[in-house]
Amino acid sequence: DSGVTQTPKHLITATGQRVTLRCSPRSGDLSVYWYQQSLDQGLQFLIQYYNGEERAKGNILERFSAQQFPDLHSELNLSSLELGDSALYFCASSVGNDYEQYFGPGTRLTVT
Amino acid sequence: AQSVAQPEDQVNVAEGNPLTVKCTYSVSGNPYLFWYVQYPNRGLQFLLKYITGDNLVKGSYGFEAEFNKSQTSFHLKKPSALVSDSALYFCAVRDVFGSGTYKYIFGTGTRLKVLA
Repeated sequence: DSGVTQTPKHLITATGQRVTLRCSPRSGDLSVYWYQQSLDQGLQFLIQYYNGEERAKGNILERFSAQQFPDLHSELNLSSLELGDSALYFCASSVGNDYEQYFGPGTRLTVT
Repeated sequence: AQSVAQPEDQVNVAEGNPLTVKCTYSVSGNPYLFWYVQYPNRGLQFLLKYITGDNLVKGSYGFEAEFNKSQTSFHLKKPSALVSDSALYFCAVRDVFGSGTYKYIFGTGTRLKVLA
């Protein structure tokens, strides 16, 4: 158990809908990262927050957004969902910017 | 462009034999390199990292990795493979862009299969 929690574990929704994925980092970790893992794209870095502020951006679509709250938990919002958004979404956390990341168990999103 | 390459989709090795999982990288600055392992239906687990210092880095579960700057490689190794090592292994690099901004790039993963 990495100490990073993600909810929900599974999510099934229809195209065009909007969902919110939630992540709680390990106690004491200030950085939160979001990743998308799919069979055809591999593991893609989406975005990172550090102590409430956006720190780095990867291959995140404009339909996706994230934020980190004062209690350091983070949410990833996915809107206007398409079939191709079906994937495993991982959250990871780390103490700071130079440290290894600890991954949550993931949220499996299925868009039908 | 910054990148990480894992040239082998799958590596098969007999239990008890040494294993190597290859990784090469291309970054603009000094690389921060990581190895992670993913078991089925689980998140990634950190194995080891290279930031600076000794080129041979020791990590969890008996794994080690050798940083080779001239060959821009960071191969993962273990002297004696176990069946329980069978999993998906990811190499990752953190590339610094300046002004404290950076991003993590993961390789496509190598599936390690250890045969009993």
